[in-house]
Amino acid sequence: AQSVSQHNHHVILSEAASLELGCNYSYGGTVNLFWYVQYPGQHLQLLLKYFSGDPLVKGIKGFEAEFIKSKFSFNLRKPSVQWSDTAEYFCAVSTGGFKTIFGAGTRLFVKA
Amino acid sequence: EAGVAQSPRYKIIEKRQSVAFWCNPISGHATLYWYQQILGQGPKLLIQFQNNGVVDDSQLPKDRFSAERLKGVDSTLKIQPAKLEDSAVYLCASSLAGLAGGLNEQFFGPGTRLTVL
Repeated sequence: AQSVSQHNHHVILSEAASLELGCNYSYGGTVNLFWYVQYPGQHLQLLLKYFSGDPLVKGIKGFEAEFIKSKFSFNLRKPSVQWSDTAEYFCAVSTGGFKTIFGAGTRLFVKA
Repeated sequence: EAGVAQSPRYKIIEKRQSVAFWCNPISGHATLYWYQQILGQGPKLLIQFQNNGVVDDSQLPKDRFSAERLKGVDSTLKIQPAKLEDSAVYLCASSLAGLAGGLNEQFFGPGTRLTVL
């Protein structure tokens, strides 16, 4: 069965630290990849997405993610986090059947 | 542009009762999704509509859950009868199109938090 794994359920960082959140999926076909973010008290919203082309994609607020097809991974990165990045982050994969599967999420807490 | 609207925001019911949730997607969005998000987990797709037709309902517990999208706009999700394990946030999302990769960015509503006692 198709699945999405996020390696860390909780991450605590100090401001200015670098961030990398892992995401792996199990599906052998063509995929569309997403990272969504949910800030406290707000809706889920799109952070960035990959459909084709350059495997390094840039999103909002300085986030980026790299699609490594051979590793079935789509890790999220930010070189320097801010307190306002405190949120829950979800990796999602849309497969050939157009079903979107979400990972369990990673809660990030950034200490000011 | 108005976002995805959902109501109610919160609902508390007793087990074996019925409940219904309503969703109004972004205008012009052909695809509508209902997700169940249990505490500590990611959203799980329950049903996906393309206009008023069902694209995927493989994870919808059809013995108790039903959903409809009449006229291809608003949608209603119903649970009858509810069980304790149905306690979750029910999210509605919409996208321009669910059948073309570049157009399936989903926009989410605020969700309905259901508590079943």
